[in-house]
Amino acid sequence: QVQLVESGGGVVQPGRSLRLSCAASGFTFSSFGMHWVRQAPGKGLEWVAFVSHDGNNKYYVDSVKGRFTISRDNSKNTVYLQMNSLRAEDRAVYYCAKRSAAAGVDYWGQGTLVTVSS
Amino acid sequence: QSALTQPASVSGSPGQSITISCTGTSSVVGSYNLVSWYQQHPGKAPKLMIYEGSRRPSGVSNRFSGAKSGNTASLTISGLQAEDEADYYCCSYAGSSTLVFGGGTKLTVL
Repeated sequence: QVQLVESGGGVVQPGRSLRLSCAASGFTFSSFGMHWVRQAPGKGLEWVAFVSHDGNNKYYVDSVKGRFTISRDNSKNTVYLQMNSLRAEDRAVYYCAKRSAAAGVDYWGQGTLVTVSS
Repeated sequence: QSALTQPASVSGSPGQSITISCTGTSSVVGSYNLVSWYQQHPGKAPKLMIYEGSRRPSGVSNRFSGAKSGNTASLTISGLQAEDEADYYCCSYAGSSTLVFGGGTKLTVL
């Protein structure tokens, strides 16, 4: 069965960096694009970034462009989110999610919490 | 990248039906039949309930159905059960592999 396990969350000061990882299993990782979606405490879901199956195409929500970088290592079945210049408003649970054949998301990880605070 | 518009809350009694709307624009919901719906219980990850507007993944109850008309998609839950109480989010493909979510709707089963 599909499993997505995020790690790397924690407490970080404003302006600092953090790298999230998501280990995938149960499907042919190299055949599917991957998303990161976040959810601020008590708020709704917000799409953050996408990387294509081969890592060649990457897209971001405007609020993180230039600060966040999505990448993947198909040899390790892992997708990453490098987050630089973190702001208080980046505080959220970050989910990695598998792109479905219908362009949306069909499987989600359990999420990892990022807290930005001095 | 504007969020899709959903009602903040809906409610219904056990056995009744409810419908949650999701309004986008002609360039998002209206241009693609690629709306999905997710159920999220408190403290849990979202779960896919409907994809491509009206298709149900294996294992999802047929009490859940989806539809689309113009720029508005909808999720209907029939025969409401206590376990249906959750937050529901719509999501549309927005081009170039990007996605846009609705603000979420809290369903209360009275």
